[in-house]
Amino acid sequence: GQNIDQPTEMTATEGAIVQINCTYQTSGFNGLFWYQQHAGEAPTFLSYNVLDGLEEKGRFSSFLSRSKGYSYLLLKELQMKDSASYLCAVMDSNYQLIWGAGTKLIIKP
Amino acid sequence: SQTIHQWPATLVQPVGSPLSLECTVEGTSNPNLYWYRQAAGRGLQLLFYSVGIGQISSEVPQNLSASRPQDRQFILSSKKLLLSDSGFYLCAWNRELHSPLHFGNGTRLTVT
Repeated sequence: GQNIDQPTEMTATEGAIVQINCTYQTSGFNGLFWYQQHAGEAPTFLSYNVLDGLEEKGRFSSFLSRSKGYSYLLLKELQMKDSASYLCAVMDSNYQLIWGAGTKLIIKP
Repeated sequence: SQTIHQWPATLVQPVGSPLSLECTVEGTSNPNLYWYRQAAGRGLQLLFYSVGIGQISSEVPQNLSASRPQDRQFILSSKKLLLSDSGFYLCAWNRELHSPLHFGNGTRLTVT
């Protein structure tokens, strides 16, 4: 079966760096997405990786290793507004998105 | 720019009552449209998707149905709601199948 694993919850301190990991097993691969979802709101797109390596967007970076079925989202200079759930999703060979359950990130002052 | 509208934001309905949730996209043509449901602590579950008017694909068997009467309109319906239909319903669109999804604000449905 197809599976996405990410930690259920993480805690970090304001101003620090946090890495959220995602491992996947899917039927084929057509890209990996990260979304941010604040409580009670809809997910918003953060990043897309289809080739191995690091993609940087301001304070957020996303890394992909296709051979290892692994990705991480790196958040730097954490702010209180970064408290949210972070969803990892992989697009399989049929262009269907397989979603992880999300990682709830708690930022402490 | 493109925008997606979804309503209502919250809905409380009794078991056995009908349901109609509506979603419209502005600023683009021929979008791919999706209905997702999100249960607490679980990943997003794809319910229906559509690549064109009148073309609906269902991902899971259930008492829900979807329709696309116009290019940028997507409707989720049920004739008789079940308690298990409670959840957070999200409409989304993208331009190409491999493009990022853009979500509406969601509908919180509580079936009592």
